[in-house]
Amino acid sequence: AQRVTQPEKLLSVFKGAPVELKCNYSYSGSPELFWYVQYSRQRLQLLLRHISRESIKGFTADLNKGETSFHLKKPFAQEEDSAMYYCALSPGGSNYKLTFGKGTLLTVNP
Amino acid sequence: KAGVTQTPRYLIKTRGQQVTLSCSPISGHRSVSWYQQTPGQGLQFLFEYFSETQRNKGNFPGRFSGRQFSNSRSEMNVSTLELGDSALYLCASSLVGFGYTFGSGTRLTVV
Repeated sequence: AQRVTQPEKLLSVFKGAPVELKCNYSYSGSPELFWYVQYSRQRLQLLLRHISRESIKGFTADLNKGETSFHLKKPFAQEEDSAMYYCALSPGGSNYKLTFGKGTLLTVNP
Repeated sequence: KAGVTQTPRYLIKTRGQQVTLSCSPISGHRSVSWYQQTPGQGLQFLFEYFSETQRNKGNFPGRFSGRQFSNSRSEMNVSTLELGDSALYLCASSLVGFGYTFGSGTRLTVV
């Protein structure tokens, strides 16, 4: 079975501070990991995929297979980063089922 | 390039009724998935269609069904509605090898 755990429901930081949103997963194979973001009153948007290894809006995420983690990081948080962040896992291949964590609500205070 | 379009945006139905939700994927995307989002359970996978065939299915009762047409548009049907079916239903489309693009959702309220 596949499972995604985001241990923090809420995370509050000040502008300019580093931020790390934690994501741990459980899956026996080699999954694809994603981070999705939902800004207030907007649709769910793809932020990062682990296989692309890119940085979007200053966010990065590294897949740690040993610790089965895919934490999202940004060195200097901005107020516009305030949103709901979801970590998600897909088995890959032809299996398009996404399993989501419960999400972390990030608030960046001025 | 148009995004994923879901209609209607809002629906209010009575217990026992049935409902059909529609999703038009991004042009060229052949995979369409459906998710249920609730405050208590979060985002849960319902099913996924590719080239008119259901490839994957989540753990939902048989009252939840779907289909995909030859133009990749998809519909989701819920029969014998229950109060617990009140949720935001999201559709996502995908191109092989890329991520999933979500629609704005249909907010279903069962009274």
